Amino acid sequence: ETGVTQSPTHLIKTRGQQVTLRCSSQSGHNTVSWYQQALGQGPQFIFQYYREEENGRGNFPPRFSGLQFPNYSSELNVNALELDDSALYLCASSLTASADNEQFFGPGTRLTVL
Amino acid sequence: AQTVTQSQPEMSVQEAETVTLSCTYDTSENNYYLFWYKQPPSRQMILVIRQEAYKQQNATENRFSVNFQKAAKSFSLKISDSQLGDTAMYFCAFMNDAGYSTLTFGKGTMLLVSP
Repeated sequence: ETGVTQSPTHLIKTRGQQVTLRCSSQSGHNTVSWYQQALGQGPQFIFQYYREEENGRGNFPPRFSGLQFPNYSSELNVNALELDDSALYLCASSLTASADNEQFFGPGTRLTVL
Repeated sequence: AQTVTQSQPEMSVQEAETVTLSCTYDTSENNYYLFWYKQPPSRQMILVIRQEAYKQQNATENRFSVNFQKAAKSFSLKISDSQLGDTAMYFCAFMNDAGYSTLTFGKGTMLLVSP
């Protein structure tokens, strides 16, 4: 069984640019959640996708957007990058959006904004 | 809104000893889940242990156990017989048992296990 994978591993962008991060969910999982983990902090919830629809959103501006595809893989897009967007971006997949399903995390994408 | 507080930024323990990591949370909900996650230097977050709030019995997983005090909103993690591989950041997290399943994390405790 393949676990959650994310690409790329590292990324360097400049302020104002746009970035797309990708996540492949674990086989059979239809729910993907995205988190931002700033240096020295715990992860913060960005949004969740369930069966291709946004199912919930944290306190992040609209320039953070996402997609989920029919195979339940997902993308996180960030427009107009700011220095504070530098962080580790984690995705987690779960069997369904129900709270009693474990979320399995990917290794993350380290984004640096210069 | 829920909040999770971990008051110990760093902890040290020697191999084979026992260590307890603290966590408190704030919520007005009655049904929820609490978690401890481990994030080793390789970055991948791994679930260590999980507790359902409606269960009075404390969860255990091998060397890991929790002390869940619902009235005090406290959820500590005890690691027995510490091993070098336990060195990692440990995050306490909360999830509501309603709506969409989002995790709210604390800031983490860095645990260093030394020989």
